[in-house]
Amino acid sequence: AQSVTQLGSHVSVSEGALVLLRCNYSSSVPPYLFWYVQYPNQGLQLLLKYTSAATLVKGINGFEAEFKKSETSFHLTKPSAHMSDAAEYFCAVRTTSGSRLTFGEGTQLTVNP
Amino acid sequence: KAGVTQTPRYLIKTRGQQVTLSCSPISGHRSVSWYQQTPGQGLQFLFEYFSETQRNKGNFPGRFSGRQFSNSRSEMNVSTLELGDSALYLCASSLGDPSGEQYFGPGTRLTVT
Repeated sequence: AQSVTQLGSHVSVSEGALVLLRCNYSSSVPPYLFWYVQYPNQGLQLLLKYTSAATLVKGINGFEAEFKKSETSFHLTKPSAHMSDAAEYFCAVRTTSGSRLTFGEGTQLTVNP
Repeated sequence: KAGVTQTPRYLIKTRGQQVTLSCSPISGHRSVSWYQQTPGQGLQFLFEYFSETQRNKGNFPGRFSGRQFSNSRSEMNVSTLELGDSALYLCASSLGDPSGEQYFGPGTRLTVT
């Protein structure tokens, strides 16, 4: 069975600082990995996905993530935080057939002016 | 292309009642998945329908059921509502392959009193 662990339920950064949100996965087979963002009172929006084509994945809004098999990690980064990045971020994994996603607990990102 | 729509957006029900939520996927998408989001349990998978057939099922009691119609629209039903069913119910649509993106609707906020 696959699982996802997000380290840090709350992360706070200053505007313009590096954003680093951590995600580790557990899977017995090569996974598909996703990062989603959720703004208050909204659904989830896909930031980026890893499907084995390239280990460094670039997404929307300046976010990127690197798949590291040896560390079973898929951390999300952004070089310079913007106030509009304040939201909750979810890492998710999928390995089984079909569309079922297993989500991490989420990380609430706060951006301070 | 229109996104995933969910109706209603907000719902208040009383314990013991039943409720039906609706989801219209993106045109051309044959897979619809449902998730429950609560502060305590996070995002949990309920079930997935693909071409009118349930393809995956999460670990929820039989009070939770769903169906999919020939136009890919999906409904989920919760019978004999309990206070713990209060949650944001999210619907996601996709083409149905494991590497593909899932697009989420805005959710239905269900409050059980």
